[in-house]
Amino acid sequence: DTGVSQDPRHKITKRGQNVTFRCDPISEHNRLYWYRQTLGQGPEFLTYFQNEAQLEKSRLLSDRFSAERPKGSFSTLEIQRTEQGDSAMYLCASSLTDRGSAWNSPLHFGNGTRLTVT
Amino acid sequence: AQKITQTQPGMFVQEKEAVTLDCTYDTSDQSYGLFWYKQPSSGEMIFLIYQGSYDEQNATEGRYSLNFQKARKSANLVISASQLGDSAMYFCAMREALSSNTGKLIFGQGTTLQVKP
Repeated sequence: DTGVSQDPRHKITKRGQNVTFRCDPISEHNRLYWYRQTLGQGPEFLTYFQNEAQLEKSRLLSDRFSAERPKGSFSTLEIQRTEQGDSAMYLCASSLTDRGSAWNSPLHFGNGTRLTVT
Repeated sequence: AQKITQTQPGMFVQEKEAVTLDCTYDTSDQSYGLFWYKQPSSGEMIFLIYQGSYDEQNATEGRYSLNFQKARKSANLVISASQLGDSAMYFCAMREALSSNTGKLIFGQGTTLQVKP
């Protein structure tokens, strides 16, 4: 178990540029989540995948945001035409959840990607 | 509406003493799960402890215990024998029955804990 891996750890970009983040979940985990966290706040849910299917998107996720999980393994989160308000920590989490463990399975988080939009 | 409330933005505790971090929640579901996470300055969210709404006993994991008072809708985290490495931000989170299909957690605002030597 190597844990959830996110790349890059830090990203500085200019307003209007596109950025892409990658998340590699724990290998056997079927669920993958993206959260956004601003300074001093708790993580906010963005979107969720069950295997390769994106099953829920938060209203926080504007049209400039897109996430994929091809082949049900790693996931990417792309932000187009970045704005200063996009500056935040983007956290990826995964879990292995079946019907019997739906309640007590914790999410395992990566170290996050800190985005700064100048 | 805020579903998870952590009213203590910051807390101090002396090393080796116990500390309680407060968490109250709001849900109309009968089935839900409550989680506590620790986030050190490095940024990683570390899972600490879980309590199910139907669990009759308070959960314990090493130095962590969860004081679950269902009628009051509170799920306070108790850390015994604080260590310097416990200094971090702590988040309370909830998974409701309605979100069981996604398994997503809803987080509170967090409490920053500083352990004094």
